[in-house]
Amino acid sequence: GDSVTQMEGPVTLSEEAFLTINCTYTATGYPSLFWYVQYPGEGLQLLLKATKADDKGSNKGFEATYRKETTSFHLEKGSVQVSDSAVYFCALSLIEANTGFQKLVFGTGTRLLVSP
Amino acid sequence: GAVVSQHPSRVICKSGTSVKIECRSLDFQATTMFWYRQFPKQSLMLMATSNEGSKATYEQGVEKDKFLINHASLTLSTLTVTSAHPEDSSFYICSAQRWGSNQPQHFGDGTRLSIL
Repeated sequence: GDSVTQMEGPVTLSEEAFLTINCTYTATGYPSLFWYVQYPGEGLQLLLKATKADDKGSNKGFEATYRKETTSFHLEKGSVQVSDSAVYFCALSLIEANTGFQKLVFGTGTRLLVSP
Repeated sequence: GAVVSQHPSRVICKSGTSVKIECRSLDFQATTMFWYRQFPKQSLMLMATSNEGSKATYEQGVEKDKFLINHASLTLSTLTVTSAHPEDSSFYICSAQRWGSNQPQHFGDGTRLSIL
């Protein structure tokens, strides 16, 4: 079935360090790919998305490129801040054939801890 | 941007009580709303999908009579946890989606439900 695999956390970095959170997916169709961020005690916020191969999503200094050949959508940021500490979820979106619903499949999340 | 409001943010109640959680799209019409459950340090598990004016479609293993979903208008969906027990304690998150292909889901801030 369709699935998303993320690197396990926590990822611990110092402020201004380079961030990579790996994400790979398995899908039978051609999914859209997303990164969501969850701050403590809150719901999810859409961070960025890409809808087709080779698209690059970017927002707030984060970026991720849809790589069909490696079925990956790794999240990167050149210089993290303490305020980036959160849980990051990679997700894919597919249209379910029998219902027509667009469904999100989430990875397990990666906690990022940034220290001053 | 798209705003989804979820209420209440936190509820504590006794075992056997029924609890209603509201999810509202404040600045757009949501033809589809989703309800998720998140266990501590885990990913989101989709419970059900609802289209306005239709019965909700539940995921396998989710009890329909336990988790009642009503999507009466294009801006409001409710989840009622009937006769809640301690094992129902969890973080419940809703999301809302506009009609159309590749529309992202916009998430509420979640409801922390604690059953004593």
